[in-house]
Amino acid sequence: QSALTQPASVSGSPGQSITISCTGTSSDVGGYNYVSWYQHHPGKAPKLMIYDVNIRPSGVSNRFSGSKSGNTASLTISGLQAEDEADYYCSSYTSRNTLVFGTGTKVTVL
Amino acid sequence: QVQLVESGGGLVKPGGSLRLSCAASEFTFSDYYMSWIRQAPGTGLEWVSYITTSGSYTNYADSVRGRFTISRDNAKNSLYLQMNSLRAEDTAVYYCARTLVRGVIPDYWGQGTLVTVSS
Repeated sequence: QSALTQPASVSGSPGQSITISCTGTSSDVGGYNYVSWYQHHPGKAPKLMIYDVNIRPSGVSNRFSGSKSGNTASLTISGLQAEDEADYYCSSYTSRNTLVFGTGTKVTVL
Repeated sequence: QVQLVESGGGLVKPGGSLRLSCAASEFTFSDYYMSWIRQAPGTGLEWVSYITTSGSYTNYADSVRGRFTISRDNAKNSLYLQMNSLRAEDTAVYYCARTLVRGVIPDYWGQGTLVTVSS
């Protein structure tokens, strides 16, 4: 199972919006609405930010939103803040009853 | 607040074995799937394995199938990962994660335990 494809890095200034893409296939992202997004600060536990493509868990800021079109999912962070600087990973359920993660995107707040 | 605490990591020689444990608390352990996910140095997250609520079904990444075994003890609120025939490429921080039944979605993660495979 190949990793989902994400851009290696995305950057933006405070207050701006950024979007991270996550491209898979019809056997994972395109086939199921079970796409999730995680925020990972190095040395800490990854945190679930979005699940089921566009659902925010309780306590997650509404500045984070998710969407999907075909085999590509996206995470948008609006009103970028310094604390958003972290690594972000998408994941998807697959047709083999497994889970696959994206390659990861480093978000830098300029 | 969901608590997941991994233990059992350490330094092991290639070909050796190691058993990781994950102690869960503050939620009904038997109601959730559980997963192991790892992150090798300088790389991204890699799903390793998951187990259903009763332990009757398990699945593994191709990279560990046949070498790793996931198990759970619902009476002890504990998850395990038996790792055999370890290779240098198994070196990683291993995270245990509570996993939603729908979509096999890891929603809460532990802090991880480091496994180093080196001679």
